[in-house]
Amino acid sequence: LAKTTQPISMDSYEGQEVNITCSHNNIATNDYITWYQQFPSQGPRFIIQGYKTKVTNEVASLFIPADRKSSTLSLPRVSLSDTAVYYCLVGENFNKFYFGSGTKLNVKP
Amino acid sequence: GAVVSQHPSRVICKSGTSVKIECRSLDFQATTMFWYRQFPKQSLMLMATSNEGSKATYEQGVEKDKFLINHASLTLSTLTVTSAHPEDSSFYICSASTLAGSSSTDTQYFGPGTRLTVL
Repeated sequence: LAKTTQPISMDSYEGQEVNITCSHNNIATNDYITWYQQFPSQGPRFIIQGYKTKVTNEVASLFIPADRKSSTLSLPRVSLSDTAVYYCLVGENFNKFYFGSGTKLNVKP
Repeated sequence: GAVVSQHPSRVICKSGTSVKIECRSLDFQATTMFWYRQFPKQSLMLMATSNEGSKATYEQGVEKDKFLINHASLTLSTLTVTSAHPEDSSFYICSASTLAGSSSTDTQYFGPGTRLTVL
């Protein structure tokens, strides 16, 4: 299973765009890239999933280069409520996820 | 979006007792469910993979006789912590996999978690 590497923590200010990059050099052909957000004492919440190029939904964008060895989660205009841990995971259909340390995003006023 | 529930959300029990945690997919059928545990300030650790109608597959180091998993239907999986001890105190989280129609994508949706405290 592909291992992911993310920055341990990031700081930002309200209203800024935040980009969190994840490295997954050993991603397999059938693997998808999925990002989750987790608040303390809650289960992870699905943010976005993609396979290649760019995916956008109402909360975030996901950029995946052609080699798929990395991905970048982009959060537009963050607010204090976006302070959370963000996890990048790679896996294929029905496969299990092994969570890395995630990125703790701290949004300041 | 897909909703996964867990019950109870919080449980306190005495050492030596058994505790059952339920995980339900409310608006979709989940062939596969997963169980994780999370200690304070740590990441999620996968415990086992639960497939409907078959035995669960446990991760290395997870005692299958201590953490009993049953996946009796496409919407319900249960985790029973048998003879619980204080070191079993943790945040237990389940997830359920969906298959997005005819596409090959698959997404896991997580439950809200169950806080177990063993006295």
